[in-house]
Amino acid sequence: GENVEQHPSTLSVQEGDSAVIKCTYSDSASNYFPWYKQELGKGPQLIIDIRSNVGEKKDQRIAVTLNKTAKHFSLHITETQPEDSAVYFCAHLNSGYSTLTFGKGTMLLVSP
Amino acid sequence: GAGVSQTPSNKVTEKGKYVELRCDPISGHTALYWYRQSLGQGPEFLIYFQGTGAADDSGLPNDRFFAVRPEGSVSTLKIQRTERGDSAVYLCASITSGKQGHEQYFGPGTRLTVT
Repeated sequence: GENVEQHPSTLSVQEGDSAVIKCTYSDSASNYFPWYKQELGKGPQLIIDIRSNVGEKKDQRIAVTLNKTAKHFSLHITETQPEDSAVYFCAHLNSGYSTLTFGKGTMLLVSP
Repeated sequence: GAGVSQTPSNKVTEKGKYVELRCDPISGHTALYWYRQSLGQGPEFLIYFQGTGAADDSGLPNDRFFAVRPEGSVSTLKIQRTERGDSAVYLCASITSGKQGHEQYFGPGTRLTVT
């Protein structure tokens, strides 16, 4: 079945530094790759997504890159702030185009 | 507008009991998803509805789990003969039809604890 590996499981950075989270997947037919942010006690919130017809997408301090040949995609957060602290999940749409498979998450801690 | 809502926010039940978890999707969203999230894990797909029918229930772990969406809006996830291993956060998400990609909007979840 579909599989998503996400690394690292935890990431601690100082405020203002950059943070990078990486995911690899196995389903070569996947064409949609979202990233979710989940704060304690809340549901996941979509922060950015990318489709397979582009290699990079940016939204202010957040960017996502996609390498379909290597089957990996990454989330980049620049100028991190304490409020960026949360668990981040990558996901991809399965080849049936109906359901998402999620990674295990990365806990990002941004220290002031 | 209102987002996805789920009730109750917390549910504690004894092993062997029956529970129902409710999801109210965003108005007008035709597809609705249920996920289960265990501690330290990502959401795991259970079932999704397109309108009133279950389009894919391949993620339901066994026949103790069942979900309905009789009028194509509110959905109820039902768990019979609960087991301690069912303890998790149950998340609901909805999506409007016709959108490019697959932008799911999640509710806050129901934390189920089976004692």
